[in-house]
Amino acid sequence: DSGVTQTPKHLITATGQRVTLRCSPRSGDLSVYWYQQSLDQGLQFLIQYYNGEERAKGNILERFSAQQFPDLHSELNLSSLELGDSALYFCASSVEQGREQFFGPGTRLTVL
Amino acid sequence: AQSVTQLGSHVSVSEGALVLLRCNYSSSVPPYLFWYVQYPNQGLQLLLKYTSAATLVKGINGFEAEFKKSETSFHLTKPSAHMSDAAEYFCAVSAPRSNDYKLSFGAGTTVTVRA
Repeated sequence: DSGVTQTPKHLITATGQRVTLRCSPRSGDLSVYWYQQSLDQGLQFLIQYYNGEERAKGNILERFSAQQFPDLHSELNLSSLELGDSALYFCASSVEQGREQFFGPGTRLTVL
Repeated sequence: AQSVTQLGSHVSVSEGALVLLRCNYSSSVPPYLFWYVQYPNQGLQLLLKYTSAATLVKGINGFEAEFKKSETSFHLTKPSAHMSDAAEYFCAVSAPRSNDYKLSFGAGTTVTVRA
């Protein structure tokens, strides 16, 4: 158990819908990262937050957004969902930027 | 930009045999390198990391990796494979010295262990 929690574990929804994925980092970790894992793209970095502020963006679609709250938990919002958004979404946290990242169990999103 | 290439998408070894997983990196600045393992339907677990200290890094579960700058490699080894080592392994790179903290992953290597 890495200490990073993600909810829900599974999510099944329809095209065009909007979903919110939640991540609670390890106690004391200030940095949160979101990654997407799919069969065709592999593991891709989406976005990073540090102590409530956005610090880096990867190949994140405009339909996707995220935020980190004052209690340091983070949410990833996916809207206007398409079939291709079906993937595993991982959250990771680290105590400081540049330190090792610990991954949560992931949320498996299925868009039908 | 940083990237890693994992040579071989599948590796099959006999129980008790050497496990060798290959990773080559590309980075314009001194990199940080990591190996993660992913068991079916689970998240990624950190096996070991290189952050510019000792070039031979020991990790959990008997794994180790050696950073070779001249070869831009960070291969993962385990002297004797166990059935529980069957999983997917990912090499990853980041570049904190250039304020690039994200992990860039390789495509992964799936390890199967034959009894």
